[in-house]
Amino acid sequence: GQQLNQSPQSMFIQEGEDVSMNCTSSSIFNTWLWYKQEPGEGPVLLIALYKAGELTSNGRLTAQFGITRKDSFLNISASIPSDVGIYFCAGLSTLYSGGGADGLTFGKGTHLIIQP
Amino acid sequence: DSGVTQTPKHLITATGQRVTLRCSPRSGDLSVYWYQQSLDQGLQFLIQYYNGEERAKGNILERFSAQQFPDLHSELNLSSLELGDSALYFCASSVDGADNQPQHFGDGTRLSIL
Repeated sequence: GQQLNQSPQSMFIQEGEDVSMNCTSSSIFNTWLWYKQEPGEGPVLLIALYKAGELTSNGRLTAQFGITRKDSFLNISASIPSDVGIYFCAGLSTLYSGGGADGLTFGKGTHLIIQP
Repeated sequence: DSGVTQTPKHLITATGQRVTLRCSPRSGDLSVYWYQQSLDQGLQFLIQYYNGEERAKGNILERFSAQQFPDLHSELNLSSLELGDSALYFCASSVDGADNQPQHFGDGTRLSIL
């Protein structure tokens, strides 16, 4: 099946630092999504990317859909304590010719820890 | 708040038993997805329904089944439970299941098998 390789697995940073994480795959995806999950909660959508090459920002977050459609990255600028959590990339591929999609394929997550 | 509601939040049961997890999608969303999250496998897609019909299947065991009702809520049935079924089960919904629609997740049901 499809697999996403997400790195790094964890990051220990100081408040105020910029963060970068990425996902790569051997398969093509039509959509890339980035989610954040905190303890006891479900994944919360951060950014959705629908076109190869697309660069999208959401506040301090910026994500890009790779030109090859096999990769994506997420950057967080000027990290703050509430950025702590697990960040997941997810890819979506088209199952049906009419544009219907299969379920999301998730990376293993990047655990972001901010040191005081 | 994503607008996706899952009940119950926690479920504790024994091996061999059967449980039903419930999901109400966001208002207006026709497609429902079920995912399993475990420490060793991460988040895995189980099954998708669109407007009452099964649309796609992922890594769903034969002991598991799901359905989506006319009011669009969905239930995931897990039977002959094993210790390895202990996990978080998430429901997500999207407008019409197309690949240009994001999926929004509920807060999950934590299933513990004793």
